[in-house]
This record gives sequence, structure tokens and C-alpha cells, in this order.
Amino acid sequence: DADVTQTPRNRITKTGKRIMLECSQTKGHDRMYWYRQDPGLGLRLIYYSFDVKDINKGEISDGYSVSRQAQAKFSLSLESAIPNQTALYFCATSAPGLENTIYFGEGSWLTVV
Amino acid sequence: QKEVEQNSGPLSVPEGAIASLNCTYSDRGSQSFFWYRQYSGKSPELIMFIYSNGDKEDGRFTAQLNKASQYVSLLIRDSQPSDSATYLCAVKGGSQGNLIFGKGTKLSVKP
Repeated sequence: DADVTQTPRNRITKTGKRIMLECSQTKGHDRMYWYRQDPGLGLRLIYYSFDVKDINKGEISDGYSVSRQAQAKFSLSLESAIPNQTALYFCATSAPGLENTIYFGEGSWLTVV
Repeated sequence: QKEVEQNSGPLSVPEGAIASLNCTYSDRGSQSFFWYRQYSGKSPELIMFIYSNGDKEDGRFTAQLNKASQYVSLLIRDSQPSDSATYLCAVKGGSQGNLIFGKGTKLSVKP
């Protein structure tokens, strides 16, 4: 089983619909992240959380919200999906420290039509 | 705005050659540097990290860091077709220690 699990892996939704992407991890890391990846734009940080009570906006948080339900769970919501939110979304986790990098989930393909 | 720059490629090398991937970063306060490999449609996977000036070797991979020039590179020796992927450079720094990613260099290793 993957250490960082994302659901759903693929979703097609309609404009204006609410959708939630869920992430759970078994790595025991306090830090969790949501990124989106678009061709030519690389990985961009949406939100991050350093513990259950700490939520921070990233580079591109507009149109998104998050919830950190537990140390191991971090969900991303699109309240009213729009077509330019079509992208590959990654959840990631890390431990603190300079040498500690982040570990990605398998990704969730979201298409908004 | 902190930036990490990579040549998008594609970089094409013959099998068995050395592939050289380069990355520059804008924040002089950056403290550690990571290289990820990403196959199409898959998640990025860590290849190696470096935080001291100089070279760090791990198998066929060598990371090189020059903080004065704000430059980090990845060398892949004896390149194999299975190395064909996009390589992402990531830099950690700032008050939160978040990773900032470059847009990646696509590498193609021709048999």
C-alpha cells in the first residue's frame, strides 16, 4: 500500500459542482501539502499544513479550501469547480528539517467540464 | 518571488552517455536542494538531495551544488532509456522551509 493515498484517482465533474479530494498518509509526518501540476507550469503549492491546527495558503489558494481532519488526513475542496481547475493534483507529506524532502501521493486527475 | 529555473528541454542523449541537467535559483537563503524524477502521469520521486557545496554521488547520479553561483546540477552517467523522464529541481528555504519547484527538464535517452 502507498504511504500517501489519494482518492479519487480520477474524476470528471461539471462546472459549478463541489468536489473534494482526500489524502491520507501512514508516514507519521506532521506536514502535509496540496499541489497542482499543469503542463508547462510545473508544480504549484495550493495549501499546506504543519499540524492539525495550522493551515496556510500557498501560491495559488484562490478557489480552493482545505481541511486537516487529523494528523494523517488532509482534504482539498473545490467549492464551485471551474474548467481552469482541470489539472493533476498531488498530496504530499514531509517531516521538518533541511534534509527532509516531501513525498508525493499518486495524484488525482481532475477534469472540470 | 523566489524562483527556480530549469531548461524545459527536451534534452536528448544517446544511451550510455552522460546527461547533464541544470537548475538555477534566485533565493540566496536557500538551504537544501532536491532532484526528483517524474514519469509521465506519475508522481515525482526523489532521486537525491544536497545541501553542501560540491558533489554528492549516488550510483549513476551525481548532484553538484555551487551556492555562490546559485546553481545546482544533476549528472546521470551511463544513461539508460529508462531514465527518460522529466527531472524536477526543488529548492528548500525561507521561513517555512517549503519546497519551490522548477518546471522540469524533459530528458530523452535514445537507444
